[in-house]
Amino acid sequence: ETGVTQSPTHLIKTRGQQVTLRCSSQSGHNTVSWYQQALGQGPQFIFQYYREEENGRGNFPPRFSGLQFPNYSSELNVNALELDDSALYLCASSLVDGTNYGYTFGSGTRLTVV
Amino acid sequence: RKEVEQDPGPFNVPEGATVAFNCTYSNSASQSFFWYRQDCRKEPKLLMSVYSSGNEDGRFTAQLNRASQYISLLIRDSKLSDSATYLCVGGSASKIIFGSGTRLSIRP
Repeated sequence: ETGVTQSPTHLIKTRGQQVTLRCSSQSGHNTVSWYQQALGQGPQFIFQYYREEENGRGNFPPRFSGLQFPNYSSELNVNALELDDSALYLCASSLVDGTNYGYTFGSGTRLTVV
Repeated sequence: RKEVEQDPGPFNVPEGATVAFNCTYSNSASQSFFWYRQDCRKEPKLLMSVYSSGNEDGRFTAQLNRASQYISLLIRDSKLSDSATYLCVGGSASKIIFGSGTRLSIRP
């Protein structure tokens, strides 16, 4: 059973640029969520995808968008990067059938915006 | 008010001590609750799910009080390897919210 994998592991971007982060879900999981974690903070919920549609969203602006593919992998896209977007971005997958059985996290992508 | 709130700590206790963490949640519709553990510069890892009846896994006991909307985690006979940040988590099938975490340091 493979776990959740994310790519790239580290990334440096310039303010105003766009970035795409990728995630492969754990085998058997049907739901993917993305979180932003700043240093010293808990993970902040960005959004969740189920059956290729966004079915939950946190307090993030529309320039944060995503996709889920038929194989349950996912992308997080961030447009017009700002300095405050520098953080660890975590992807988490889960099996959800009305009940959420808990997320398995990838090791994250550390994004630095300069 | 944050949806999930917990004491940030840090808690600094001697090896062998019993430690208790509490966490409150504001959304009464929340259905799923968990405790996660996060080591420095690592991803969060699921420690245990939390059920209304309470559940135990070795030295760890989790409780959920729906009436008061709080979740607790008890660690007995703490080990040096228990040093980490403990994240309280609650939500629904479509939205899981993390608390900001409680740092625990176990000293020899």
